[in-house]
Amino acid sequence: GENVEQHPSTLSVQEGDSAVIKCTYSDSASNYFPWYKQELGKRPQLIIDIRSNVGEKKDQRIAVTLNKTAKHFSLHITETQPEDSAVYFCARRSGGSNYKLTFGKGTLLTVNP
Amino acid sequence: EPEVTQTPSHQVTQMGQEVILRCVPISNHLYFYWYRQILGQKVEFLVSFYNNEISEKSEIFDDQFSVERPDGSNFTLKIRSTKLEDSAMYFCASLRGQTMNTEAFFGQGTRLTVV
Repeated sequence: GENVEQHPSTLSVQEGDSAVIKCTYSDSASNYFPWYKQELGKRPQLIIDIRSNVGEKKDQRIAVTLNKTAKHFSLHITETQPEDSAVYFCARRSGGSNYKLTFGKGTLLTVNP
Repeated sequence: EPEVTQTPSHQVTQMGQEVILRCVPISNHLYFYWYRQILGQKVEFLVSFYNNEISEKSEIFDDQFSVERPDGSNFTLKIRSTKLEDSAMYFCASLRGQTMNTEAFFGQGTRLTVV
């Protein structure tokens, strides 16, 4: 199916530590995997994405890895800061003309100063 | 930077009433969406719209829901007879949709409260 499983549902880390959030999917046709950050009461904002022809992508303290064989992808945040505290959603999308996103259930990340 | 805008930011309505949520997508985008997020839950796809027609809808998007693009800029979601369980944050999104321009941009949302 199109569902995405996301773990953990909550994650608490100390400032400066790393945080890792994992998502798995089952649809082999999935070819685009974005990660969104959502602060309380705000819109989801894209922080990084990866396409199926790439295994890893990095943008400063944020990186995403994709394992197409195992059908899972992960978000890595290094040197976490209190302002990284938010809910993070993974999502996936198949090819085709619709570009519809299917989201995971979200991870509440708390970075303790 | 262009952005998707939604109005109103918060709407309170009585059960059984009709509501219209409004969105102005980014001007050169071709694909438009409504998503819903019940408090504390994940973002769920409702409907996609392309070339002046619905291209896909979820099982949530039943006969009580409809979408329109009445002019070149607005994209609306109508709920004909609201139910308590329609209370949620509704996000509009748009996407350019050509080759690599496939990032979805979300509006700030409309919080719908049905009482």
